Amino acid sequence: GAGVSQSPRYKVAKRGQDVALRCDPISGHVSLFWYQQALGQGPEFLTYFQNEAQLDKSGLPSDRFFAERPEGSVSTLKIQRTQQEDSAVYLCASSIIGGFRNTIYFGEGSWLTVV
Amino acid sequence: EDQVTQSPEALRLQEGESSSLNCSYTVSGLRGLFWYRQDPGKGPEFLFTLYSAGEEKEKERLKATLTKKESFLHITAPKPEDSATYLCAVGSGGGADGLTFGKGTHLIIQP
Repeated sequence: GAGVSQSPRYKVAKRGQDVALRCDPISGHVSLFWYQQALGQGPEFLTYFQNEAQLDKSGLPSDRFFAERPEGSVSTLKIQRTQQEDSAVYLCASSIIGGFRNTIYFGEGSWLTVV
Repeated sequence: EDQVTQSPEALRLQEGESSSLNCSYTVSGLRGLFWYRQDPGKGPEFLFTLYSAGEEKEKERLKATLTKKESFLHITAPKPEDSATYLCAVGSGGGADGLTFGKGTHLIIQP
């Protein structure tokens, strides 16, 4: 597609519910990132994939957060047993290949509210 | 640990009133400094990447510069459509593969 596509755009979850957020990166992009952005803050790095390999998950806040990219294209971020502090915008980004010499393009985000 | 501090947090300018936004950083081996624009309800939109001190890049009314400790985003004769939050981020050799972002500067240009 023309840009990074994320779904759902908006999700309201009851505390304790599991949620799954989907990301379709730009076609042909090898690198895929997930970020979390709380209200009034900058995005914070969660995890990084190169193709299907999850090379860095140092930013995942707890073992309730899990990400996968099984075929090296679409990625899913799953949050189990959601808590109120999980309320944030979850941004997906992709770049043609790893490293910082290539532009990283962001999607519009999935807005998660936990009530 | 990489750190990025942006100032001011918010800035209100009159149309045509030029100014600069600041991004101070501490990293273990800078591999790139990035500027993004973010509109309400949207994802960050890429503006510039700077790689070494002394480097400058321009795009329309925006010009980004880089020193060893900070970067400036200069806005010349801004228009109301330049109103947005401007985010600064760094990529480093410190280990993580992602960018470290500042909190952003919320810029409002009044007609």
